Amino acid sequence: NAGVTQTPKFRVLKTGQSMTLLCAQDMNHEYMYWYRQDPGMGLRLIHYSVGEGTTAKGEVPDGYNVSRLKKQNFLLGLESAAPSQTSVYFCASSTGLATTDTQYFGPGTRLTVL
Amino acid sequence: AQSVTQPDIHITVSEGASLELRCNYSYGATPYLFWYVQSPGQGLQLLLKYFSGDTLVQGIKGFEAEFKRSQSSFNLRKPSVHWSDAAEYFCAVGYTGGFKTIFGAGTRLFVKA
Repeated sequence: NAGVTQTPKFRVLKTGQSMTLLCAQDMNHEYMYWYRQDPGMGLRLIHYSVGEGTTAKGEVPDGYNVSRLKKQNFLLGLESAAPSQTSVYFCASSTGLATTDTQYFGPGTRLTVL
Repeated sequence: AQSVTQPDIHITVSEGASLELRCNYSYGATPYLFWYVQSPGQGLQLLLKYFSGDTLVQGIKGFEAEFKRSQSSFNLRKPSVHWSDAAEYFCAVGYTGGFKTIFGAGTRLFVKA
């Protein structure tokens, strides 16, 4: 039982490049989330999904897109990376809504945009 | 708007000493409150949570937290800190009908021998 895994662990991009971050969970959770973590700001919700085939915007969605084609996977895409997107990205999943349920987090992806 | 404040950016305690990390929230109704811990290079792990009932909540790794409605606080405590407790601690609040959990900025705990 791997829990929540994220690929890749580290990445360096140049401004304007694109990339996709992959999150996978093996706990059969309905809900999945993408957060970014910046110094002094805690975690901020980018996008979330309440089930396969559904996605919704979170607190800071601009510049990101997501897809949930399979229940166990949640992809985060950056179409044209900007230095402001330098951050640590965490994926999480939960049985129910994060407001009342325990979230299980992946180890994170450290992204640097030059 | 809902918010979570962790007044201490970092705290240093000696191994074996007691610990209290502060958390204050802003929300009109009864919130759902969480404490998560993040060890270096790792994701966040739930320590404990409060939804209702007894205001003193026990968690994993010997941590406890007390909900005080009058002070809008949910402080995390541990009677005797171990070197392995060095990590960053996040307080978070959720609420029924909402879709997101609001995280505080975190408190980094340093443990000295």
